[in-house]
Formats: sequence, structure tokens, C-alpha cells
Amino acid sequence: AQSVTQLDSQVPVFEEAPVELRCNYSSSVSVYLFWYVQYPNQGLQLLLKYLSGSILVKGINGFEAEFNKSQTSFHLRKPSVHISDTAEYFCAVSAFRGNTPLVFGKGTRLSVIA
Amino acid sequence: DAGITQSPRHKVTETGTPVTLRCHQTENHRYMYWYRQDPGHGLRLIHYSYGVKDTDKGEVSDGYSVSRSKTEDFLLTLESATSSQTSVYFCAISENPSETQYFGPGTRLLVL
Repeated sequence: AQSVTQLDSQVPVFEEAPVELRCNYSSSVSVYLFWYVQYPNQGLQLLLKYLSGSILVKGINGFEAEFNKSQTSFHLRKPSVHISDTAEYFCAVSAFRGNTPLVFGKGTRLSVIA
Repeated sequence: DAGITQSPRHKVTETGTPVTLRCHQTENHRYMYWYRQDPGHGLRLIHYSYGVKDTDKGEVSDGYSVSRSKTEDFLLTLESATSSQTSVYFCAISENPSETQYFGPGTRLLVL
């Protein structure tokens, strides 16, 4: 079975500063990895995903994430955040070509301060 | 955006009453999911379906039942609502279980 840990429940950051949201996973098999974003009072939207190939994945809104197999991590980064990035971010993992649903982390609330 | 709607979007009900939430998709995806979202717990899977009349339990299935009589509709029923079921409920769909899920807008349920 897979599991995922988001190491920070809340991350405050000033506008135009860089940010990193941390995600670690556990799995005995190869994995797919995802980051979702949830803006207030909305459903979750896919930000980016790693299925295979390049370990650096670029997503929407200037976000990117790096797959690190040795450290079982998939941290999300943005070099310069905007007020509009204020949202909750969820990391998720699934087994490569598995038959069980995604497992979600508990989320990290990013607050961008003007 | 994936074609997923949820109804109702908001509901207030009393303890002990039955409640049914509906998820409707226009994408013809095989898999459909029901989650609940609560502060401090993130998203927790309630039930999911892998085809018409094929369903399985998730992490927090007690007190909930589901039905899927058509590809496009997935119903979540609280047989006798309790205050602990006050939550935001999300439906999601996917083509296969290990890949991208697409989420509906959510239903906010308050059980008094």
C-alpha cells in the first residue's frame, strides 16, 4: 500500500518570495505522483503529475516539482508566489499501473502575504 | 474542465434523516469516487465504483452506502445522518484508478 506525508500543514510566505511545499511518500512499488490545488470553496484541480520520464515536472501557474526516488519525495516549488496562489495544496500517490485509488496527503495551506 | 456536477450543492438536514447526494459525469469515465473533506484530515475516500453496479469501500465507509446504476451517475446515501457526517463531500472521476482524478465542485452538508 502507498502512503503520503505532507510535512507542513501551513506555510505562510511573502508575495514574490519562493516557496517549497514538501511531500514524502512510501511505497514498495513504482509510483505515480500528483499535486492538486484547491482554491477557497472549490474542488481540487490538477497542478502537475509525474508518471515517468523527466524527474522535473512543470505544471500550471509556474509551479514545478521534482521526483526524488532515493529520498521518496516529490516537493512542489515556485520561485515567486502571488497573492492568487493562496490555496490548499494536496500531494497524492498511486501505484504504477495499480488497481487502487490515489492516496492523498492531508494538505498544506499556503498563505501568501502582501 | 471535466464535466462533473454534484447535487445538491448545499444541504441542511436533521440527525436521523436519510440524505442522498448525486454525482453526474459526462466524460464516460469508468471510475467514480466519493470523498469527504474535513479540517485536519484532508480528503478521505468513502466509496468508489469501477463500473455499473461495481463498488468498493474506502477508508471511511461506515454509515454510507453507494449505488451506480448508470455509468454517468454515482449516488452517495447517508441512511441516517449524524452530526459527525457534517462535511464537504467531493465526487471525482478517472479513467483508471492509478491516474488523474477530476473533481466536482463539492456538496456542503450540515447535519443538525
